[in-house]
Amino acid sequence: EVQLLESGGALVQPGGSLRLPCEASGFTFSSYAMSWVRQAPGKGLEWVAVISDSGGSTYTADSVRGRFTISRDNSKNTVYLQMKTLRAEDSAVYFCAKSDIIGPGITWHFDVWGRGTLVTVSS
Amino acid sequence: IVLTQSPDFQSVTPKEQVTITCRASQPIGNRLHWYQQKADQSPKLLIRYASQSISGVPSRFSGSGSGTDFTLTINTLEAEDAATYYCHQTSSLPLTFGGGTKVEI
Repeated sequence: EVQLLESGGALVQPGGSLRLPCEASGFTFSSYAMSWVRQAPGKGLEWVAVISDSGGSTYTADSVRGRFTISRDNSKNTVYLQMKTLRAEDSAVYFCAKSDIIGPGITWHFDVWGRGTLVTVSS
Repeated sequence: IVLTQSPDFQSVTPKEQVTITCRASQPIGNRLHWYQQKADQSPKLLIRYASQSISGVPSRFSGSGSGTDFTLTINTLEAEDAATYYCHQTSSLPLTFGGGTKVEI
C-alpha cells in the first residue's frame, strides 16, 4: 500500500524553525517528484514547494521563498520541509503529496496525500 | 495562474446534479485536476487532466473543459459526497489551487 507519513509538527514561536519529514512507503520513491501543500485552519489548499525525483530541481511558492527549503533523501524514502523565520500566517496543516507521473519534471498533480502534520506558530 | 471556483458553497439534496466551475486566469490546456476533501481528511484525486477518470472513483463524477473554463459534475449526488472540492492547475509554476467549493447535503 502506498503511504505517506508526515511528522514534526509542533507549536513554535514566531521567528523559530522547524523541519518536517515525510516518510514514504509502498512505491519507488526515487522515481517521483514530491510536494508539500498546506492548509490553514478553515481555509483552502496552498501549494508550498516541489522537488524532482532526483532532487536536482526544486521550486517554492513566493510566500515562503527564502524561508522554506524542500529536500529529499532517496536512500531513506523521505522528503523534508525545512522552515525558518516562521510567522503566524505559516500556521497550518502541512501535507506531503506524491506526483501522479513517474520520472523527471515537477509540474504534476498528486495521486497520494499524507494525513498531514499541524504546525502552529504562536507566542 | 489564478483559479476562480464557483460557487463557494452549495446546499443540495440527494440525487440532485451538482456543477462546479473553475476558471483559470490564462489558458492552461487540459492541465486541470479536481480533488475532493472530506472533513478532517486529506484531499483525494477525483479527475485528472480535465476529464480523465481515476480508478476507484465513482462514475457519477465527471470533468470537462479546456483552456480557461472547466467543470466538475456530480450526477445523482449521494450523502457521502458532502465535501469541499478543489481544482488545481499544473500548467506552470507556481502550482495553484482554486479556493474550493463546499457541497453540503
